Amino acid sequence: NAGVTQTPKFQVLKTGQSMTLQCAQDMNHEYMSWYRQDPGMGLRLIHYSVGAGITDQGEVPNGYNVSRSTTEDFPLRLLSAAPSQTSVYFCATARSGSYNEQFFGPGTRLTVL
Amino acid sequence: AQSVTQLDSQVPVFEEAPVELRCNYSSSVSVYLFWYVQYPNQGLQLLLKYLSGSTLVKSINGFEAEFNKSQTSFHLRKPSVHISDTAEYFCAVRIIQGAQKLVFGQGTRLTINP
Repeated sequence: NAGVTQTPKFQVLKTGQSMTLQCAQDMNHEYMSWYRQDPGMGLRLIHYSVGAGITDQGEVPNGYNVSRSTTEDFPLRLLSAAPSQTSVYFCATARSGSYNEQFFGPGTRLTVL
Repeated sequence: AQSVTQLDSQVPVFEEAPVELRCNYSSSVSVYLFWYVQYPNQGLQLLLKYLSGSTLVKSINGFEAEFNKSQTSFHLRKPSVHISDTAEYFCAVRIIQGAQKLVFGQGTRLTINP
């Protein structure tokens, strides 16, 4: 099993460009989420999904869109990239239930010039 | 809403010395508590968790954390650190009832000097 995979590993964008960060999992987890990691701020939740067709906003959703058409995939879209979106992005997944461990992907390092 | 404060952004210690990484949280409802570790250029891995029961929880690599409800703390300790413990450590909380959203602290960078 590959677990949680994220592509690309690195990306450089110019201000105003759009792109999609990919997250895929083969563990049949219902819950998937996106975090961004910035120095001194820990990880902050962007969007999350509790199952196919269901998404909701986290703490810092502005400038990002998500959709969940399958259990396996949860792409994160930047519609018009801004320098403030320079960050490391992590996808995490978990089984639903009272408690289940969250598994994190290796991350995507995004730079917006 | 929940919040997590890690009081130290960086902690340098010598190899084989003890270490404590501090974590305080705020929540009006009951929470689960976690410590995650991030080794250089990697994703996060769960180090240990408190869900219920004994307030002292331990990891397989010698770390332990104690849940103190009255002080709303979940400090991480290790009696003797190794070079391989160099990493960033994140404390996190999740409310028991509801979605699996984690709220993270700012992180503490642990540096082990020989």
